[in-house]
This record gives sequence, C-alpha cells and structure tokens, in this order.
Amino acid sequence: DTEVTQTPKHLVMGMTNKKSLKCEQHMGHRAMYWYKQKAKKPPELMFVYSYEKLSINESVPSRFSPECPNSSLLNLHLHALQPEDSALYLCASSQGSLAGPGELFFGEGSRLTVL
Amino acid sequence: RKEVEQDPGPFNVPEGATVAFNCTYSNSASQSFFWYRQDCRKEPKLLMSVYSSGNEDGRFTAQLNRASQYISLLIRDSKLSDSATYLCVAGGTSYGKLTFGQGTILTVHP
Repeated sequence: DTEVTQTPKHLVMGMTNKKSLKCEQHMGHRAMYWYKQKAKKPPELMFVYSYEKLSINESVPSRFSPECPNSSLLNLHLHALQPEDSALYLCASSQGSLAGPGELFFGEGSRLTVL
Repeated sequence: RKEVEQDPGPFNVPEGATVAFNCTYSNSASQSFFWYRQDCRKEPKLLMSVYSSGNEDGRFTAQLNRASQYISLLIRDSKLSDSATYLCVAGGTSYGKLTFGQGTILTVHP
C-alpha cells in the first residue's frame, strides 16, 4: 500500500542492454531520490532531485542516468551495467522544506540482476 | 569515520524484553533524524522521527542528544513482530542528503 510506485519489481538484464527503472508519486512531494541497496547493507544514496532539478549526485558512474520528467515521475536509465550493479534500487520521495528534507517515503524497490 | 554509525548487533532477545539501539552521527549540521524499520526483502518504512525533546509512540521511545550527536531508540515489551532491521537516519539540510546507518538486526524469540 505504498504511495510511491516503482516498476518493474524485478529486472534481469545483460551487460549490453539498455533498460529503465520508473518511479511515480502523487503526494505532491518536491524531492525524489534514488537509493541502491545491496544485501545486508543499508540503502546508499545515488541521486536527489528537488523541484525537478538534480541537486545531488553521489559520484554515481555514468552508466546510471537519472531523469525527472515532472514532479511526479523519476526514472533511472541503465546502460552497460556490470554484474556488481545487481541490487535493490529504491525510489523515495519527501515533502522537503528549508528546515529539512522530511521523512522519506519509499517504493517497494526494483530488484535488478545484471548477468 | 562513517557519517552515521550504529550498534552492530545482532540483538537476540526474548519476548517482553526491553532493548535499546544507539546511533551516532558525524555531521553537526544535520537537522533531520529518523528511525526506520526494514523487514527482509522489503523497503524501509518510517518508525519514528526523532526530536531533541524526545518522543514516544506506544512501546517505542526515541531520543536525540545534539551535544553528543547521539540518537537512541528504546523498545519496551518486545513482540515477535518487532523482529526486523532498524536503521538510524541522519542528515538533511533543506532538500539535502539523508544517510543511513548500517542497520541493527533485532530478533525477538518466544
């Protein structure tokens, strides 16, 4: 019953493929995030968009390309990935304000396997 | 030094026990603090926000000590359903970065 929807839930791709992960929220949140989570590790921040502009890129390799078409949508384009990129990719959104980002609402994640 | 550090755990406690988790953060400019809970192969879900005045929600109490840059979570009368990984989160300036601690695994047994 999460209010952040991610598709696909599972994705298997080869190292030469191009695929995209999609995220949608309709809570009117102005900040959206991509996190990557490996097994038994915490989520690691990849990108932050605030007001549809990329505000944080945590030195993520260029084979990951984020896109924010509008305030409700966030995509992560994948190209030429490596097997070590296999992970759970979590999208999150938050209300955000000058006082702080506010709590994160997570989608269920897209579980990616790179062969 | 990691930005957010937690007790490594794991914690294995009987039902009804009281258990406490601790967390420290390195960025003194951090403004936002949370405890999240994550069940196996699920997304993290907010358990509590943490304020300097402390806050309580039923069996759960969270405290923030800004001077020591320390956050805690106390769970009283543990239930089997409390078994999960508990993640401490700190950071954030306006639309900024929230960093997760490495998580503490709690197992509550009968």
